[in-house]
Amino acid sequence: DQQVKQNSPSLSVQEGRISILNCDYTNSMFDYFLWYKKYPAEGPTFLISISSIKDKNEDGRFTVFLNKSAKHLSLHIVPSQPGDSAVYFCAASAAGGTSYGKLTFGQGTILTVHP
Amino acid sequence: DAGITQSPRYKITETGRQVTLMCHQTWSHSYMFWYRQDLGHGLRLIYYSAAADITDKGEVPDGYVVSRSKTENFPLTLESATRSQTSVYFCASSALSGATLNTEAFFGQGTRLTVV
Repeated sequence: DQQVKQNSPSLSVQEGRISILNCDYTNSMFDYFLWYKKYPAEGPTFLISISSIKDKNEDGRFTVFLNKSAKHLSLHIVPSQPGDSAVYFCAASAAGGTSYGKLTFGQGTILTVHP
Repeated sequence: DAGITQSPRYKITETGRQVTLMCHQTWSHSYMFWYRQDLGHGLRLIYYSAAADITDKGEVPDGYVVSRSKTENFPLTLESATRSQTSVYFCASSALSGATLNTEAFFGQGTRLTVV
């Protein structure tokens, strides 16, 4: 029962263009969503988050969009840089219920930004 | 050093042996977690702890044991290692509280465990 899904295992983008990473979830109790970035041989690092009361959150080149009715979120990176090449994980948590305090992760998407 | 640290970084063990992975955080975060990362599965929660002496199972707890006698430490023990437990293990902590219902978790560098 994969509650958070990232259906694209990989994405290749040219430097300077937009990268769009997608994530779908099934648990309607999720009310907080996060994106993590992971380089090889390192732990995941927090990138950006969004609460379910918002539909957009922006931080520099990174913007996360949330569509609650579709249970879908996306991460936009503009402009993409070679240093953005990493694995990106979508995660979700809930302020109540059995998911409280726990982050549920998607499978990850490998982003490659070509110079 | 401030932050969250895991040890060892790399470990090779034999099937049937007991092995303990260590995790230490200096933030006094209440919540701590153990995840494993496997290709095609992302990060899956093994066990978590809401405070010292309070632990609970995650998605894939079988074959693992945890304890949390002190807030800053959260060791993970594989009681009798199996090849299917070959994975990269990540410890994380979070400042979750009654006042902070949603917040990010901070991860350690990971332990790559190989069971032969």
